[in-house]
Formats: sequence, C-alpha cells, structure tokens
Amino acid sequence: EAQVTQNPRYLITVTGKKLTVTCSQNMNHEYMSWYRQDPGLGLRQIYYSMNVEVTDKGDVPEGYKVSRKEKRNFPLILESPSPNQTSLYFCASSPSPKPVETQYFGPGTRLLVL
Amino acid sequence: KQEVTQIPAALSVPEGENLVLNCSFTDSAIYNLQWFRQDPGKGLTSLLLIQSSQREQTSGRLNASLDKSSGRSTLYIAASQPGDSATYLCAVRRGSNYQLIWGAGTKLIIKP
Repeated sequence: EAQVTQNPRYLITVTGKKLTVTCSQNMNHEYMSWYRQDPGLGLRQIYYSMNVEVTDKGDVPEGYKVSRKEKRNFPLILESPSPNQTSLYFCASSPSPKPVETQYFGPGTRLLVL
Repeated sequence: KQEVTQIPAALSVPEGENLVLNCSFTDSAIYNLQWFRQDPGKGLTSLLLIQSSQREQTSGRLNASLDKSSGRSTLYIAASQPGDSATYLCAVRRGSNYQLIWGAGTKLIIKP
C-alpha cells in the first residue's frame, strides 16, 4: 500500500530533551516536506526537500533540523525542544515539487513538550 | 504576503442538505488551489485540485470552483452525509519553491 508513515504518533517529552520524528514514504517520491499545525492557524511549512541531500527552510524552521540521506526517509529533529514546539506535525511527499502534483500526507505526530 | 482565509471556522448542518464552504486568498498569483479533508488521526486527504487556468473541478458529490480575479474558491458538497463530517482545508500553491499556503480550515458536522 502506497503510504507515508510517521513515528511516533504521540510523544510527550520535557524541555531540552532531543527527539527525532521519523517519516518514510514507499512511493519513490522526490519531494518531501514537514508541516506543523496549531489551533486556529493553517499548516505552516518547517522544511522541505526537493531530493536526496537537498533541503531548504520553510516558513518556520527555527528550532528544527532535517536530513535527507535516503530518498524514502526525511526525519525531523528537535535538538532542544521547547514548549512552543508543542504541536501536531505532518510529513508529506509528492512525486516532484511541480505544482500539478498533489501531496500525500502522513497520519500526523502529536507532540507535547512540558 | 499571501494569506488564505476560511469562513466559517465551524459549520453544522442536517444530513441531506447541500452546502458550500468558502476559501479566500489575497494574492491571485497562484499555480493552483487544493481542497483537503482532515480526519482526526488520519492525516490529510486531497479532494480536488484546481489549476490556475481552470474554473472548477468535480469529484462525485464534490464540486470546487476557482475565481482568481476575486481571490475566492468554493467547495460545494451535495446531499451531505454524516461521513462527510471532517475539517476541510484549502491551500494555494505559489512561489518559486511551489509552497503551499494554508487556510485554518472549516470544521463541518453533519447531523443525522
């Protein structure tokens, strides 16, 4: 089944404790992206990747890191989480970044930073 | 700066009614506009994608229209069903990196 998977789905952590949220897609997509969703706001892009070893900042990259060493994986790293990073996170992928392509989303990771 | 607005934030209607969800955007320089559905715990699902050169798209009971000049899109749902209950999001695609700019969504409840 073609899908985007994220792990963990739910995470409670404390301020300053490094964490990684994994994202994997099995569709051989070039483009991958991370978003965060907060109440009353639209999704905001954190980082995106046009292809392996190519990543760039989105609208809200502060406090986050990413890497794209393999085509299928795009982990999101929070080196020192803070309470303002409490949010719902989505990973997405598409065959390419071209506008005609739709994006496929993972189920989301709900993060609570105490 | 592109802004996307969806009003109302929540809507509750009886089953069987036809309804319209609204999306407005401030900058008409877009590649396309998409409507998504968000179900709790299941991520987002793309419903309809309208290219900037198109006026509307249809899929089953759903019809989405796009008026770039006025910065508006509507999602029409015919003969609503309880299974249509979800949050509906619109997003416009723009910029050199084809970025998606999102509205905050309309939470739709269909009452049996």
